[in-house]
Amino acid sequence: GENVEQHPSTLSVQEGDSAVIKCTYSDSASNYFPWYKQELGKRPQLIIDIRSNVGEKKDQRIAVTLNKTAKHFSLHITETQPEDSAVYFCAASKAYGQNFVFGPGTRLSVLP
Amino acid sequence: NAGVTQTPKFQVLKTGQSMTLQCAQDMNHNSMYWYRQDPGMGLRLIYYSASEGTTDKGEVPNGYNVSRLNKREFSLRLESAAPSQTSVYFCASSPGAGAYNEQFFGPGTRLTVL
Repeated sequence: GENVEQHPSTLSVQEGDSAVIKCTYSDSASNYFPWYKQELGKRPQLIIDIRSNVGEKKDQRIAVTLNKTAKHFSLHITETQPEDSAVYFCAASKAYGQNFVFGPGTRLSVLP
Repeated sequence: NAGVTQTPKFQVLKTGQSMTLQCAQDMNHNSMYWYRQDPGMGLRLIYYSASEGTTDKGEVPNGYNVSRLNKREFSLRLESAAPSQTSVYFCASSPGAGAYNEQFFGPGTRLTVL
């Protein structure tokens, strides 16, 4: 089955700097890659996603890139702000699969 | 629109006790899911229901049972709780099963088994 790895497990950046979180997946049939943000004590919420027919997607300060050949995808956050501090989860899913497989998460801390 | 709701928010059980976690969604979604979240292990799927009337095992189903009561409600039952089941449980729903379907999560149930 699918296996999703995520690095780093913790990341600290200065406010205003960029943050990058990387995920790798094992199943070449996976074709949908969402990113969820979970603030402390709250539920995970989708922040951005990418389909396998797209190499990059941006939404304001957030971008995701996908390399299908290498089977990895990354989340990029620019101009980080304190409210970006949270745990970020990547996931992978297949077109007709029944569920997502989540990575173990990255705890991002944005230092003032 | 409440989205996905879960009850209870917190629960403490003794080993061997049973309980049911309730989940409901008001978004007319077809698919519903139960996850557990343990520190450093992300979200692991326990059971899912691709559509009303169907349920299937996920990655970690042992010790749990589920019921898709109707399109809105999906419950998770622990028949004989064990300390290893101490976790935060999230219910989620999506318009359909599989890719391209955002999953919407409930607020979670924090369960402690003593």
